[in-house]
Amino acid sequence: RKEVEQDPGPFNVPEGATVAFNCTYSNSASQSFFWYRQDCRKEPKLLMSVYSSGNEDGRFTAQLNRASQYISLLIRDSKLSDSATYLCVGYSGGGADGLTFGKGTHLIIQP
Amino acid sequence: ETGVTQSPTHLIKTRGQQVTLRCSSQSGHNTVSWYQQALGQGPQFIFQYYREEENGRGNFPPRFSGLQFPNYSSELNVNALELDDSALYLCASSRQGGSGELFFGEGSRLTVL
Repeated sequence: RKEVEQDPGPFNVPEGATVAFNCTYSNSASQSFFWYRQDCRKEPKLLMSVYSSGNEDGRFTAQLNRASQYISLLIRDSKLSDSATYLCVGYSGGGADGLTFGKGTHLIIQP
Repeated sequence: ETGVTQSPTHLIKTRGQQVTLRCSSQSGHNTVSWYQQALGQGPQFIFQYYREEENGRGNFPPRFSGLQFPNYSSELNVNALELDDSALYLCASSRQGGSGELFFGEGSRLTVL
């Protein structure tokens, strides 16, 4: 069974701190991964794509460890606006049928 | 904004009724997929449409059906509504053969009483 597992949190983090959370996957056929950000009662929005060992975009860094089958998301210098749910997604090809969403990690940045 | 639009944004139905949700895909995208997201859960894949045909389906009963039109817009129909069908229904568009990146609409929040 294809699964993507995430710690649901919530992670309560002070503003300006660095926070990291992991996502583990069971489908070794997963080719790539995505992190989506979802605000409360809104749609998911693509944050980062991870095709090889990792990706970095400003304060956000994603790392992929295929040997241990996990992906991490690191947020540096966290802002209040980073408060959201972060969804980890594995992709094994074939369009939307090949996407497996985790349940999300809830992050709360506190002033 | 993704350019994916959904309607209606909110609706309330009662058990046994039928509902139709609509989605217009982003320009240049020929594939539409539908997801159900219950509170506190990740999106669950319902089905995908490409060239007006269902092209992949998740673990949902036949009372969940859909259509795709020549302009790539799509409908999700749910018959015989049950209380557990209450959820946010998300439409996502993409390009066939793409990298798996999805562009979501804002969703239709369905409440079944």
